[in-house]
Amino acid sequence: QLQLQESGPGLVKASETLSLTCTVSGDSISSSNHYWGWFRQPPGKGLEWIGTIYYRASTYYNPSLKSRVTIPVDTSQNQFSLKLTSVTAADTAVYYCVMAPGSPHSYDYWGQGTLVTVSS
Amino acid sequence: QSALTQPPSASGSPGQSVTISCTGTSSDIGGYNYVSWYQQHPGKAPKLIIYGVSKRPSGVPDRFSGSKSGNTASLTVSGLQADDEVDYYCSSYAGSNNWVFGTGTKVTVL
Repeated sequence: QLQLQESGPGLVKASETLSLTCTVSGDSISSSNHYWGWFRQPPGKGLEWIGTIYYRASTYYNPSLKSRVTIPVDTSQNQFSLKLTSVTAADTAVYYCVMAPGSPHSYDYWGQGTLVTVSS
Repeated sequence: QSALTQPPSASGSPGQSVTISCTGTSSDIGGYNYVSWYQQHPGKAPKLIIYGVSKRPSGVPDRFSGSKSGNTASLTVSGLQADDEVDYYCSSYAGSNNWVFGTGTKVTVL
């Protein structure tokens, strides 16, 4: 059974870089036809797609975040990460790592989520 | 890009049905059959309940159904149960490798 676990600092200072890691167990991040990604949800608000990576092929980013986001992959650790630069209070949210088998249009697997607060 | 529009709330009595709308444009919902619905319990990660407009993942009860007409998608929950009283979000492909979400709807079981 695939499991995803987010990890990283819960507090980031404004203007710095938010870095989170998603550890994958029960499957290989190198598996073909799997799409890995990140979503976020500000407290009390709705969901927002951040970006998706199709390993060794393509990376897709939300246009509103594209200039600040990267999703690197570490196959040796079976992990992928989220790096969001120049954060502000508006980036305070619960961040989820996700996986979609076969298509990037719907995500069957979600991590439990981790709250990241941006302080001024 | 703009978020898809959902009513903030919807309600129904136990055993009855409730339908949630999700309104977009011809550039997202109206242009593709890639509408998904997620259910989210408080403090929990979202759960996929509908994909491809009307398909259900394995294990999702057939009480949940999806449809689309023009630029509006709909989720119907039949046979309402207490556990259905949570938040629901729609999502759609918006072209150019971009996806948008709805504003969310809280369902209340009266």
